[in-house]
Formats: sequence, C-alpha cells, structure tokens
Amino acid sequence: AQSVAQPEDQVNVAEGNPLTVKCTYSVSGNPYLFWYVQYPNRGLQFLLKYITGDNLVKGSYGFEAEFNKSQTSFHLKKPSALVSDSALYFCAVRNPNAGGTSYGKLTFGQGTILTVHP
Amino acid sequence: EAQVTQNPRYLITVTGKKLTVTCSQNMNHEYMSWYRQDPGLGLRQIYYSMNVEVTDKGDVPEGYKVSRKEKRNFPLILESPSPNQTSLYFCASSILAGGLESEQYFGPGTRLTVT
Repeated sequence: AQSVAQPEDQVNVAEGNPLTVKCTYSVSGNPYLFWYVQYPNRGLQFLLKYITGDNLVKGSYGFEAEFNKSQTSFHLKKPSALVSDSALYFCAVRNPNAGGTSYGKLTFGQGTILTVHP
Repeated sequence: EAQVTQNPRYLITVTGKKLTVTCSQNMNHEYMSWYRQDPGLGLRQIYYSMNVEVTDKGDVPEGYKVSRKEKRNFPLILESPSPNQTSLYFCASSILAGGLESEQYFGPGTRLTVT
C-alpha cells in the first residue's frame, strides 16, 4: 500500500524567510510525486511534480521541491516566502508501476497549513 | 475555458435520502476521480475512472457509487447518505498518457451536510 506523511500540521514563517514544507512517502518502486495548494475558499491547484530525472523540480510561484529517494522525501521549498503563500499544502504520491488499473490511485497527505507573517 | 464543474456546490440533506453530485469536464480527459476532504485527514480518494465504463475503488469507497457512461461526466451517488459522509467533495480529471504523470485539474468542490 502507498502512503504519504506530512509531519507538520502547521508551518509558520516570516515574510522574506525561506520556507520548507515536509513530505515523506512510502511506495514500492519509483513514485510519481505531486504538490498541490489550496488557497482559502478556493479549489486545489497544481504546484509541481516529480516524475523522473533531475531531483530538484521547479514549479509555480517560485516553489521548488527536492526528491530524495534514500530518505523517501519530497520537501517543498521556497527561498523567500510571501504573505500570499499562506495556504494549505498537500503532497501526493502515485505508483506508476502498480498492476492493472491500480496506478490510478492517488494518495494525499493530511495537509500542512502554511502561515507567512508580515 | 478548460474546467471541471460540480453541482451542486452546497447541499444540506437528511439521512437516507439518495443524492447525486454531478461532475463534468470539458478537456476530453480520460481519467476522473472523486475525493473527500476532512480536517486532519487531508484528501482521500473515493473512486476513480480510467475511461468510459472503467471505474475502480479508491481508499474510502464505502457508501458511494459512481458511473462513467460518458467521457465528460463522472457523477458521485450516495444511495443512503449518513452523517459521517458530511464532507467537502472534489472531482478531478487529467489525461491518461504517461501512466498518469500529468497533474489533475480540480473542480470547485461540493460541501455536503447530512443531518
């Protein structure tokens, strides 16, 4: 079975400081990994993904994430946080090698609330 | 405009009264999926569909049904809703190519309250 853990329910940072939102996963084989963001009273939006290749992936709004296979992690980062980055962030994992149509399963973490203070 | 639409956006109902939440996408996506969002539990997948007439259970399928008779539509059916199905529901779609390496596009959500 596949799973995702976001160990921090909440992350608080000051504007202008770097931010990290942590994600670890469990899946057999090589995963597809995704980050989504949910702004208050809005739907979910895609931020970035890791499929293969370079372990550092860049996404929307200046966010990036580093895939670390040995630590089974995919932490979301941004060098300089903005107040407008305050939102709920979800990490998700898919197993592209799952048998049959099971690769259609997408498992999300419980989410991390990011608050950026002015 | 490319989008995923859900109806209704808000619904308050009573235990046992059958309801359907519709989901439609205009992007010709093969893959569609339903999730529920609950505080502290994140998003949990209910059902997904790889294409017309192909549906599979996600992690929390109990109490739900789906059908995929047309590519663009993927309704979620609650035959006998119970209060523990009170939640925020999201529909999503994506293309199937590359083993579903593409991101999903989410609908605006349906807030369901079962009393």
